[in-house]
Amino acid sequence: NAGVMQNPRHLVRRRGQEARLRCSPMKGHSHVYWYRQLPEEGLKFMVYLQKENIIDESGMPKERFSAEFPKEGPSILRIQQVVRGDSAAYFCASSPVPGPDTQYFGPGTRLTVL
Amino acid sequence: AQSVTQLDSQVPVFEEAPVELRCNYSSSVSVYLFWYVQYPNQGLQLLLKYLSGSTLVKGINGFEAEFNKSQTSFHLRKPSVHISDTAEYFCAVTPVSGSARQLTFGSGTQLTVLP
Repeated sequence: NAGVMQNPRHLVRRRGQEARLRCSPMKGHSHVYWYRQLPEEGLKFMVYLQKENIIDESGMPKERFSAEFPKEGPSILRIQQVVRGDSAAYFCASSPVPGPDTQYFGPGTRLTVL
Repeated sequence: AQSVTQLDSQVPVFEEAPVELRCNYSSSVSVYLFWYVQYPNQGLQLLLKYLSGSTLVKGINGFEAEFNKSQTSFHLRKPSVHISDTAEYFCAVTPVSGSARQLTFGSGTQLTVLP
């Protein structure tokens, strides 16, 4: 059973461009969590999704950020009009049932905004 | 809301020496507690977790942690470290009940094992 997959692993964007980060959960997992890790900091929760539903987006910035988890395909974290402050590592975790004790993390996408 | 404080940002230690990484948390409700390890340019790997029961929890790679409710602490220990233990270690909590499912992380402790 393959682990949580994220791509791309590294993404470089210029200010004002869009960034699309993809997360493929483990097989059989229908719950996805996105976290952001700024340099020298711990991970901060962004959003929790189930298939086709956003359950908790309390950690998402109000503007430019959106997330989806369609019925088919990976979960997507989309950042519009990126700024330098968006440079960070973005981690996805998945679980088969709701609950943090069963969250499995992907390797992350490192976004660099020039 | 919960918060997690990892008191040491960097811990250098010689190989085969014991190590303790400190974690304190603040929460108005009961929480589950976790330690994760992050190797360079990789994702997080669960080391151990406390959900209920015995307050001494054993995890992978010889690590253990003790939950102390009165001191709101969950310190991580290993009696003898190896070079391969060099990594970033994160303490995290989440509420036991309610709809919140996300983890709240500390800022991390970089453990460097010296030869």
